[in-house]
Amino acid sequence: DAGVIQSPRHEVTEMGQEVTLRCKPISGHDYLFWYRQTMMRGLELLIYFNNNVPIDDSGMPEDRFSAKMPNASFSTLKIQPSEPRDSAVYFCASSLGRKNYEQYFGPGTRLTVT
Amino acid sequence: AQKITQTQPGMFVQEKEAVTLDCTYDTSDQSYGLFWYKQPSSGEMIFLIYQGSYDEQNATEGRYSLNFQKARKSANLVISASQLGDSAMYFCAMREGPGGNQFYFGTGTSLTVIP
Repeated sequence: DAGVIQSPRHEVTEMGQEVTLRCKPISGHDYLFWYRQTMMRGLELLIYFNNNVPIDDSGMPEDRFSAKMPNASFSTLKIQPSEPRDSAVYFCASSLGRKNYEQYFGPGTRLTVT
Repeated sequence: AQKITQTQPGMFVQEKEAVTLDCTYDTSDQSYGLFWYKQPSSGEMIFLIYQGSYDEQNATEGRYSLNFQKARKSANLVISASQLGDSAMYFCAMREGPGGNQFYFGTGTSLTVIP
């Protein structure tokens, strides 16, 4: 398996623009997680899905952030409008069943908002 | 209160020595799990080890062991025979709640192995 795939790997955008991050989980995994990592705040869980259904979105910072999982092999995290404080590395991870703690992380998307 | 506390922002250890990375947690659940991830400088996150709250024995995975002390609410990671490749950030985490559906991560400890 190719592992968790994220795109783009790097994104530079201007404040106010819409940003869409994409993730393809490992085939067969039923959990998908979105994380944000910054020096100031560390690793934050934003939202996660189980069988394509959002389970906990309490980590989503505000209404500018939204996430979808239209099918088992694809998820998006959208920021609209983006702000400089959204600059971070965004990770997607997937896992399987009861071992949902054993998450396989993607390489991350480094987002820079200027 | 913080759910996961890692009080050591940075640690150093001599190659081939053992090192303990501290982690304390806060929960009122009876059923929960503690686990650790490693993040090398390349950025990827790597799952290391898991301990369930009902597991009577400490979890071990190769050179990694989790020193689980329930009464003290601590879940320290012990790395034996440190190697240069162990230099990385280490995150302690917990899952709790119905079906283990709530996840919390610590702020991480940076480990440097000295040759």
